[in-house]
Amino acid sequence: GENVEQHPSTLSVQEGDSAVIKCTYSDSASNYFPWYKQELGKRPQLIIDIRSNVGEKKDQRIAVTLNKTAKHFSLHITETQPEDSAVYFCAASITGNQFYFGTGTSLTVIP
Amino acid sequence: DAGVIQSPRHEVTEMGQEVTLRCKPISGHNSLFWYRQTMMRGLELLIYFNNNVPIDDSGMPEDRFSAKMPNASFSTLKIQPSEPRDSAVYFCASSRGGSRTFGSGTRLTVV
Repeated sequence: GENVEQHPSTLSVQEGDSAVIKCTYSDSASNYFPWYKQELGKRPQLIIDIRSNVGEKKDQRIAVTLNKTAKHFSLHITETQPEDSAVYFCAASITGNQFYFGTGTSLTVIP
Repeated sequence: DAGVIQSPRHEVTEMGQEVTLRCKPISGHNSLFWYRQTMMRGLELLIYFNNNVPIDDSGMPEDRFSAKMPNASFSTLKIQPSEPRDSAVYFCASSRGGSRTFGSGTRLTVV
């Protein structure tokens, strides 16, 4: 089955700096890559996703890049704010049903 | 849309008791997923349904766990008998292809 690895497990940045979280996947058939943000005690919420026919997608301060050849994808958050502090999960999916989640990155934005 | 609705939000029970967690998916979503989240194991898919039919229950840890989806608007996850190691946050999620929308979760504590 698919194996998704996520790094780093924890990340601290100063407010205003950028944060980058990276994920690798093993199955080249994976074609859908969502990112979820989970604040403490709350549900995971989709923040951005990308499909394999696209190399990059942006939504305001958030962007995701995908390198199909290397089988990795990354989340980029620019101009970080304290409210960006949360756990971020990447996932890879082939069928759209079975999601393989990474182990999460705990991001702390220091004011 | 009220989103995915789970109940109860918190459940504390004694070891050996039966526990039933409930989920109402988003209307129109044809896939429903049950996840378990712990610090040690992250987000684990327990089972998912397509059009009310269980498709993959390979993530169900033991025979003590069972899940049903009698109709498109309701699902249950039952643990009988419960054990302390079942303590976790259980999330229900639904989708209509692609990304998941998660419920608020049920925090289960088995003492």
